[in-house]
Amino acid sequence: EPEVTQTPSHQVTQMGQEVILRCVPISNHLYFYWYRQILGQKVEFLVSFYNNEISEKSEIFDDQFSVERPDGSNFTLKIRSTKLEDSAMYFCASGKGSNGYTFGSGTRLTVV
Amino acid sequence: AQRVTQPEKLLSVFKGAPVELKCNYSYSGSPELFWYVQYSRQRLQLLLRHISRESIKGFTADLNKGETSFHLKKPFAQEEDSAMYYCALSGHNQAGTALIFGKGTTLSVSS
Repeated sequence: EPEVTQTPSHQVTQMGQEVILRCVPISNHLYFYWYRQILGQKVEFLVSFYNNEISEKSEIFDDQFSVERPDGSNFTLKIRSTKLEDSAMYFCASGKGSNGYTFGSGTRLTVV
Repeated sequence: AQRVTQPEKLLSVFKGAPVELKCNYSYSGSPELFWYVQYSRQRLQLLLRHISRESIKGFTADLNKGETSFHLKKPFAQEEDSAMYYCALSGHNQAGTALIFGKGTTLSVSS
């Protein structure tokens, strides 16, 4: 069964550093998403991406965040200057349309 | 406002007992409802969609528009059902829209 792949599984970074979280969506999917889950809290939507542009973003997704699909297969989330409160599990997901998405296994980001 | 409410943070049952995980929603249009499951240290997996009206791993969920609910049920819980369960909604036939998740309910099944 096709999977959404995320790397790395765990990233530790110093406050103020830039991080890039990588995702390889399922190849025939058209919609791509990033979600995050702060420890002990619910899964929160960050951004959706379709046709090479952001289609929707939440208030969490401020100027410190950006997404890119640089080469037609990878889908990246960049945090420019990490803060302690960015520590969370970040999930990538992809989908074909208005059905359930397929999630990746997540990247645990720890900002120290 | 769009909202998904899962009132129980933790539900503990014995093996073989019936299970009902509650989910209520608030949505102005016509929603599509989902249940996702997250087993320990694993990724979120789609369990059920209300549109498909299927039964997965013995679980069922019926959309009740009058009560704005989408409760997840299983007649006989198994130990391997222990996991975190998330109810979620999106706009019906709105491709690419965000999923709105509830806070999740931890189901613990003991023998």
